[in-house]
Amino acid sequence: NAGVMQNPRHLVRRRGQEARLRCSPMKGHSHVYWYRQLPEEGLKFMVYLQKENIIDESGMPKERFSAEFPKEGPSILRIQQVVRGDSAAYFCASSPKGGSGNTIYFGEGSWLTVV
Amino acid sequence: GENVEQHPSTLSVQEGDSAVIKCTYSDSASNYFPWYKQELGKGPQLIIDIRSNVGEKKDQRIAVTLNKTAKHFSLHITETQPEDSAVYFCAASRQAGTALIFGKGTTLSVSS
Repeated sequence: NAGVMQNPRHLVRRRGQEARLRCSPMKGHSHVYWYRQLPEEGLKFMVYLQKENIIDESGMPKERFSAEFPKEGPSILRIQQVVRGDSAAYFCASSPKGGSGNTIYFGEGSWLTVV
Repeated sequence: GENVEQHPSTLSVQEGDSAVIKCTYSDSASNYFPWYKQELGKGPQLIIDIRSNVGEKKDQRIAVTLNKTAKHFSLHITETQPEDSAVYFCAASRQAGTALIFGKGTTLSVSS
């Protein structure tokens, strides 16, 4: 896990507010992945990004969720108008390059609670 | 798309015993199979991985086997210790350029 930095670690939002989760990949990594983990469930793929490009967003909900990985700065997962069902742990992971077989390393996660 | 099934969902063993967790995958094009360990409140940590060009890989007390024909792979932990208690996830990677797809996890409890 060392090297993939996520913040905030814990975030509380009221229904209808926006949540922004940030992820800085490991040094030298240009590929970022976001996963969501609901209580006592597995890791669900959300989106895969490379610098300035979304490679695969097949796991992203159609509405309210967006992700970016700008040329400079961290990757951002944005959830608009949060609802209680968005409460989960959101994990970011990174790899040095894309493609099958490249090891990905996870951060410690951001726990979102919607009240 | 890829689908990964993992069994059992919970596993309890005595310290010193072996533990085996099994996974199956659906996409015959998958060729990378890592295993992650997740402790409470933490992120998943890679413990071992295997690529499709080998059938078995071992690292101290941990080993992984892969059967491409049957599309299943397994994690073997020998001489289990209480600190092995955690949730273990298997995953499979599809075609190049796509992300890992995870199984639902196995909660391993090792009692002393």
